[in-house]
Amino acid sequence: AQSVSQHNHHVILSEAASLELGCNYSYGGTVNLFWYVQYPGQHLQLLLKYFSGDPLVKGIKGFEAEFIKSKFSFNLRKPSVQWSDTAEYFCAVNLRPGNTGKLIFGQGTTLQVKP
Amino acid sequence: NAGVMQNPRHLVRRRGQEARLRCSPMKGHSHVYWYRQLPEEGLKFMVYLQKENIIDESGMPKERFSAEFPKEGPSILRIQQVVRGDSAAYFCASSPPLDTQYFGPGTRLTVL
Repeated sequence: AQSVSQHNHHVILSEAASLELGCNYSYGGTVNLFWYVQYPGQHLQLLLKYFSGDPLVKGIKGFEAEFIKSKFSFNLRKPSVQWSDTAEYFCAVNLRPGNTGKLIFGQGTTLQVKP
Repeated sequence: NAGVMQNPRHLVRRRGQEARLRCSPMKGHSHVYWYRQLPEEGLKFMVYLQKENIIDESGMPKERFSAEFPKEGPSILRIQQVVRGDSAAYFCASSPPLDTQYFGPGTRLTVL
């Protein structure tokens, strides 16, 4: 069965540190890829997405992600985190072609940024 | 432009009661998805609906759970005879056809 793995379950960083959150998926076909963020007490918000084209995708709030097809990965990065980035981060995939659009989510990574 | 609306935000039910969760999609979105998040787990797909049609219910438990998206009004996720294991956060998302999904704030169901 298709799955999404996020290797880091809980990450603690100091402000201004660099961030990289891993995401790997298991599916041999074409995919759309997403990163969502859930701030404390809020709903999921889209950070960035990849459908096709340039594999380096830039999102909101200084986040970016790189799709490496050969590694089945879509890691999220930010060069310098802020305390306000404290949140839970979810990687998600939907499968093409013929898919119904349903998203397959990773388990999530809780990021805690210390001021 | 209002986002995806879900109500109630919190719902408490006793074992054996029914739970009804409502989702109003974003304006112009005709596709609705329901996901469930159990404690310490990621979101799991349950069902995908378009107006008056269930397109994919491969993630729905076979018993006690049903969903609808009528021509008028919100989408409803209905859980009959709730059990403690149904306690979870239920998220609704909406989208245009095969495009990015936007999520609502979720309904947190607690079964006593």
